Amino acid sequence: NAGVTQTPKFRVLKTGQSMTLLCAQDMNHEYMYWYRQDPGMGLRLIHYSVGEGTTAKGEVPDGYNVSRLKKQNFLLGLESAAPSQTSVYFCASSYRGGDSGANVLTFGAGSRLTVL
Amino acid sequence: QKEVEQDPGPLSVPEGAIVSLNCTYSNSAFQYFMWYRQYSRKGPELLMYTYSSGNKEDGRFTAQVDKSSKYISLFIRDSQPSDSATYLCAMSVGMAGNNRKLIWGLGTSLAVNP
Repeated sequence: NAGVTQTPKFRVLKTGQSMTLLCAQDMNHEYMYWYRQDPGMGLRLIHYSVGEGTTAKGEVPDGYNVSRLKKQNFLLGLESAAPSQTSVYFCASSYRGGDSGANVLTFGAGSRLTVL
Repeated sequence: QKEVEQDPGPLSVPEGAIVSLNCTYSNSAFQYFMWYRQYSRKGPELLMYTYSSGNKEDGRFTAQVDKSSKYISLFIRDSQPSDSATYLCAMSVGMAGNNRKLIWGLGTSLAVNP
């Protein structure tokens, strides 16, 4: 059981280049999320999805796009990378509802992106 | 003022010490309180969660919620070097719609020295 898998783990981009981060989960979770984590800023939600074919903006969506064509996959795109997007990106997923009532997220291992 | 405040540390303790990690919050509607542990260069993983007020114990870990003071704590007994990590608190109002949204603390970096 792999849980949440992110690819690539590391990437270096030049300003203006584009790329896509891939996230796959095998837990049949309805909800998926993309966060970025920066020193002193904590985890910030970029975009999220409440089901296949749906996406919504989080706290810091500018400069990013997402797609969820299949329930198990959530893609994060950078159309024109900027140095301010240098960060560690985490994908996470969760059930729509659980007996605990808590929105428990399962995270991937992270993707480290550097934009020069 | 941030909705959730957490001292980033770093906190350094000797092996075997009792560790207390804390978060304060401003939204009295929060009902679900979670602690995540994040090892270096890894993703956060859920350690414990509690609903509303009270204590919850799991092995060497105890989570406490004091809603009257808007204060939550995570205690680690007999701390081990393997407990060295960043501990993040997170909270939410509920499970439906926007109430599901998790509000995160910045995380406290803990080092347990042998």
